[in-house]
Amino acid sequence: DGGITQSPKYLFRKEGQNVTLSCEQNLNHDAMYWYRQDPGQGLRLIYYSQIVNDFQKGDIAEGYSVSREKKESFPLTVTSAQKNPTAFYLCASAEGHSEAFFGQGTRLTVV
Amino acid sequence: GIQVEQSPPDLILQEGANSTLRCNFSDSVNNLQWFHQNPWGQLINLFYIPSGTKQNGRLSATTVATERYSLLYISSSQTTDSGVYFCAVFDQTGANNLFFGTGTRLTVIP
Repeated sequence: DGGITQSPKYLFRKEGQNVTLSCEQNLNHDAMYWYRQDPGQGLRLIYYSQIVNDFQKGDIAEGYSVSREKKESFPLTVTSAQKNPTAFYLCASAEGHSEAFFGQGTRLTVV
Repeated sequence: GIQVEQSPPDLILQEGANSTLRCNFSDSVNNLQWFHQNPWGQLINLFYIPSGTKQNGRLSATTVATERYSLLYISSSQTTDSGVYFCAVFDQTGANNLFFGTGTRLTVIP
C-alpha cells in the first residue's frame, strides 16, 4: 500500500523525557512536513524538509528536533524543552506543490 | 506567511441540507487543497484544486485564483459529513510551506 505511516498511534511521555515520533512514506515524495494540532484548533507547522539532509523550522519549532537522513523517513523528536507537548501530531508529504497527503497522526500525552 | 481564512467557523445543518464553505487567501498560491478531518483526527483529501471546478459525488469545489478564494459545496448532507473541513495552500515564495486555514466545524444532525 502506498502512503504515509505514523507510529505509534498513541504515546505517553513522562515529564522531562524525550520521545521520537516516526513518519515513513513510500510515495517517493521529496517534501515532508510535521504539524501540531491542539484540541479545537487548526494545524501549525513545526518543521519541514524539501530534500534529504535538509530541513527548516516552521512556526513553532522550539522544543522539537528532526532529521532527514533518508527520503522515506522524517522522525520528529519532542524534547524536554517543549513545555506543553500534549497534542495531536500529523506528518505529511508532497512532491513540489502537488497534492499533499497525511498520515493518521500520533496523539502524545504527558503524564 | 500567507494568511488563510475560512468561514463560517461553525455550521450546523439538518440532514439533507446543502452548504457552502469558503476559503480566502491573502496571496497568490501554487496549490489549494480541501481536507475533511474525521472524528479520529485523520485528514482525508477531498480536492486538489489550484483553479477551476471539480466534483466528486455530493461534493464539489471551485477555486478562483485571481480573486483569491475557494468554495466547497456539500449537497444533501449526511451525518457522516460531520467533522472539520480545512483548506490549505502552498505559497509561491519558493519555501514550499503548506499553510492551513482555521477550519469550519460542520455538524449534521439527523
